[in-house]
Amino acid sequence: GEDVEQSLFLSVREGDSSVINCTYTDSSSTYLYWYKQEPGAGLQLLTYIFSNMDMKQDQRLTVLLNKKDKHLSLRIADTQTGDSAIYFCADQYSGYSTLTFGKGTMLLVSP
Amino acid sequence: EAQVTQNPRYLITVTGKKLTVTCSQNMNHEYMSWYRQDPGLGLRQIYYSMNVEVTDKGDVPEGYKVSRKEKRNFPLILESPSPNQTSLYFCASRGNRGYSPLHFGNGTRLTVT
Repeated sequence: GEDVEQSLFLSVREGDSSVINCTYTDSSSTYLYWYKQEPGAGLQLLTYIFSNMDMKQDQRLTVLLNKKDKHLSLRIADTQTGDSAIYFCADQYSGYSTLTFGKGTMLLVSP
Repeated sequence: EAQVTQNPRYLITVTGKKLTVTCSQNMNHEYMSWYRQDPGLGLRQIYYSMNVEVTDKGDVPEGYKVSRKEKRNFPLILESPSPNQTSLYFCASRGNRGYSPLHFGNGTRLTVT
């Protein structure tokens, strides 16, 4: 079946860039998402990319998609302590299909 | 404000005592879903519903029931809770067409003793 893989943990210093990586197996994925979960809260949509795009930039966030390698990354520039959270990658085949989530990457930002 | 509302936020119960976790959305979304989140296992889908009166099993449906009698509500029912159902539960909703991201509730932390 479909699978989405992420590394479980990333630690960076405040002000550095963070890069969270994700690989997926479904080459038919149409929508790819990044969600952020802060402690004690639900998941919030951070950003997304469509499969016909290679890159998307949104303020401090840059999403890169390599369809050939089925690899998705999220880069956070100038990482702040408030960015400490769990980040989930998810893919979706179509608007009618369910999302497949990775297990999440815990990002710890130290001062 | 567009939101998914779950209740209660915290629940402690005993084995075998039936409970219901409610979920309501105000975005007129067709699709609703329940997930559980456990350390090291990420999010696992329990049940989902594509529309009113249409429900399907997710990856871990055993021990759970759902109903979708109205578009806005999607309650999760545990007829006879067991300690292995101690978890953090999330309800989510989205539209059914094209790009429509999932909106999540704030979660229900359930402890079954």
